Amino acid sequence: KQEVTQIPAALSVPEGENLVLNCSFTDSAIYNLQWFRQDPGKGLTSLLLIQSSQREQTSGRLNASLDKSSGRSTLYIAASQPGDSATYLCAVKYGNNRLAFGKGNQVVVIP
Amino acid sequence: EAGVTQSPTHLIKTRGQQATLRCSPISGHTSVYWYQQALGLGLQFLLWYDEGEERNRGNFPPRFSGRQFPNYSSELNVNALELEDSALYLCASSRSRQNGETQYFGPGTRLLVL
Repeated sequence: KQEVTQIPAALSVPEGENLVLNCSFTDSAIYNLQWFRQDPGKGLTSLLLIQSSQREQTSGRLNASLDKSSGRSTLYIAASQPGDSATYLCAVKYGNNRLAFGKGNQVVVIP
Repeated sequence: EAGVTQSPTHLIKTRGQQATLRCSPISGHTSVYWYQQALGLGLQFLLWYDEGEERNRGNFPPRFSGRQFPNYSSELNVNALELEDSALYLCASSRSRQNGETQYFGPGTRLLVL
């Protein structure tokens, strides 16, 4: 079964601290892995996409790593800001174009 | 370039009724995907359409159905609504059915079943 797990489910950090969000997946036969941001009641905003052949992707303060063999990805957000408060979703793409999502990391950055 | 659009933004129905949700993909995109985000369950894959045909289906009962029109827009129909169908329904599109393509998401339709 293709399961995606995100730990921790929720976390609060003071402004300025670095955020580390973890995602694990049971089936390593992935095409790519994508990190999304979701604000309450809203749709998804794509943050970073890592192809299965890549080890990491970076965009501004965001860095995502991928270790396919161990079934893990980590999203790092440097110098967190209150505007980073949101739910972060990890999604793994398998065959048949199906995205398998974790339940998310709910982040609160305290000013 | 306009993103994925969905209508309506909110929908309120009663048990047993039918709901129709609509999605317009990004211009030039041929694949449309539907996902359900119910409280506490996370995002679940529902349906995938490409070039007018259903390509894949998630673990949902047959009362969840849909179609894709020649202009690549899509409808999701939910018949005989149940209380647990209350959820945010997200539509996504991609340029083609190739597995490496990124899926771009719309803002969602929030369905409430009373």
